[in-house]
Amino acid sequence: DAGITQSPRYKITETGRQVTLMCHQTWSHSYMFWYRQDLGHGLRLIYYSAAADITDKGEVPDGYVVSRSKTENFPLTLESATRSQTSVYFCAIQWRWRAPEAFFGQGTRLTVV
Amino acid sequence: AQTVTQSQPEMSVQEAETVTLSCTYDTSENNYYLFWYKQPPSRQMILVIRQEAYKQQNATENRFSVNFQKAAKSFSLKISDSQLGDTAMYFCAFSNNYGQNFVFGPGTRLSVLP
Repeated sequence: DAGITQSPRYKITETGRQVTLMCHQTWSHSYMFWYRQDLGHGLRLIYYSAAADITDKGEVPDGYVVSRSKTENFPLTLESATRSQTSVYFCAIQWRWRAPEAFFGQGTRLTVV
Repeated sequence: AQTVTQSQPEMSVQEAETVTLSCTYDTSENNYYLFWYKQPPSRQMILVIRQEAYKQQNATENRFSVNFQKAAKSFSLKISDSQLGDTAMYFCAFSNNYGQNFVFGPGTRLSVLP
């Protein structure tokens, strides 16, 4: 069990507010990812991190900020939420040198009103 | 940049029958991995099967098997003896050899009918 936890599971916020989605892993996996899932688009990569203090943009990074000061945490922040950011957000981890597949958290359903 | 295409937005199959989900991808890399993930209504993403591009033999996991055609860049999933619990969204995914480029297709919604 990779032990990946996302919080909260559900969140409703207002347009313009800052909101942070949390991702925590209990193992020292190297890669961590944030995806958003929207109907018709599958999962699109927002940001990823190869290790602590190393992050890089994915396909849809605009409007999002990430940090990874500790290996086990990878929070995603929406600095000023917009309705277009209403989505389901998934955090994922990868055992870089042991297995190529990604393991996913339970997801966070975010609604921006 | 890598892309993954799933041309079947929705499919249905009768219980106990066989169904094949299609996936094509585009990449200039020679070594990579391909995956099928299942997402039931619970929203959890579950790995179904994976294929290493350097292996010619098609991967198999119980009732799930793939048809990997590297030259054609095709990676289809066959589900045999379909069960009601197979009802879910299925995503095809690509990962390069270093793992940091994980790309997903748009998904196929599969319904298994009793």
